Amino acid sequence: GAVVSQHPSRVICKSGTSVKIECRSLDFQATTMFWYRQFPKQSLMLMATSNEGSKATYEQGVEKDKFLINHASLTLSTLTVTSAHPEDSSFYICSASTRTTDTQYFGPGTRLTVL
Amino acid sequence: LAKTTQPISMDSYEGQEVNITCSHNNIATNDYITWYQQFPSQGPRFIIQGYKTKVTNEVASLFIPADRKSSTLSLPRVSLSDTAVYYCLVGERVNTDKLIFGTGTRLQVFP
Repeated sequence: GAVVSQHPSRVICKSGTSVKIECRSLDFQATTMFWYRQFPKQSLMLMATSNEGSKATYEQGVEKDKFLINHASLTLSTLTVTSAHPEDSSFYICSASTRTTDTQYFGPGTRLTVL
Repeated sequence: LAKTTQPISMDSYEGQEVNITCSHNNIATNDYITWYQQFPSQGPRFIIQGYKTKVTNEVASLFIPADRKSSTLSLPRVSLSDTAVYYCLVGERVNTDKLIFGTGTRLQVFP
């Protein structure tokens, strides 16, 4: 149980384009989803917290107009990187949880490469 | 959120027991201690969680002293596949509160 998926697993795009990453909780309803970013050999950095049906809360320094987060249902959250640039290349990971789970469950991650 | 401190890296050999200690001097009364494992290019995986004393599951044990200012993750008889980064996190509601990841401990297991 408690499986979280992400799609796509890797994506390569040209600079200036937008990319959407999906995060799904497969066997539970996630009232809260989190988005993290991880650069090579570094730890995970929290980008934003999203609760179903409400606007995401972004961490300091994360541009909300660049990283659009939508949590429209209890099983799906999306992260859209708008006008991507090479410095946005990173490993993006989501996690999902609900009040009845004991912890957050993480997705497998999405490797974004912006050329 | 209580800050955690872990060794940056550890080396071990197959078959040995590995103990990774995490310091969390400012842990609050309602905080739980949770450990995650992360392999390269994968999302973190939940290993174990505890509040006090000792917790054991099929993959690890977690030892928490009475003052709760530290905790030790114990991996019995490690194998090459245990080579990963291990993160210790502390929080009241680990399921719904945001998690702030520290540097983690990079464990390298040698044959």
